[in-house]
Amino acid sequence: GAVVSQHPSWVICKSGTSVKIECRSLDFQATTMFWYRQFPKQSLMLMATSNEGSKATYEQGVEKDKFLINHASLTLSTLTVTSAHPEDSSFYICSARDRRGHEKLFFGSGTQLSVL
Amino acid sequence: DQQVKQNSPSLSVQEGRISILNCDYTNSMFDYFLWYKKYPAEGPTFLISISSIKDKNEDGRFTVFLNKSAKHLSLHIVPSQPGDSAVYFCAATDQSKLTFGKGITLSVRP
Repeated sequence: GAVVSQHPSWVICKSGTSVKIECRSLDFQATTMFWYRQFPKQSLMLMATSNEGSKATYEQGVEKDKFLINHASLTLSTLTVTSAHPEDSSFYICSARDRRGHEKLFFGSGTQLSVL
Repeated sequence: DQQVKQNSPSLSVQEGRISILNCDYTNSMFDYFLWYKKYPAEGPTFLISISSIKDKNEDGRFTVFLNKSAKHLSLHIVPSQPGDSAVYFCAATDQSKLTFGKGITLSVRP
């Protein structure tokens, strides 16, 4: 089955630093990748939609200068949390849609970010 | 405004019995519904889906029922197994993006 690799799985950083999270589709090409954020006991909230070769589309309330998304190739999207603060601590999950257009998304294993 | 609602935060059932997980939605533009299973500190994995043109889809122990007039769907797991213990997310799409419910924690007691 399709595999999406997400790294790192967890990261602890100091307030004010930037953190980059990578999301790779290993055995398929993904024209679209999605970035979600999940707080404890809450739903997965879509942050942004990343399309290969174009600018990401951010959901309302998500700061695009804070959460930089790059989708430079059909198999890689990155999310950079810039100048992280403790309130950015969360579980971030990426997902990728097969370019053949299947409705099912394939999810990465997630990144637990803790900002001290 | 929560468009996909899973009103029960948790469910506990005995091994071998049926687990019924419920989900309600408000957006009539949703035309495809999915269930995902999630273990702690892992990403969700796809379980089963149903198109709005159907009212039932079955895959092994898992069956999803859709009642469009009530804007309600449910996931039935029978027989339930201890390995089914996880968080289950209901999701819906109008072909633009997936909208998730808050999830329900299922515990299957041996």
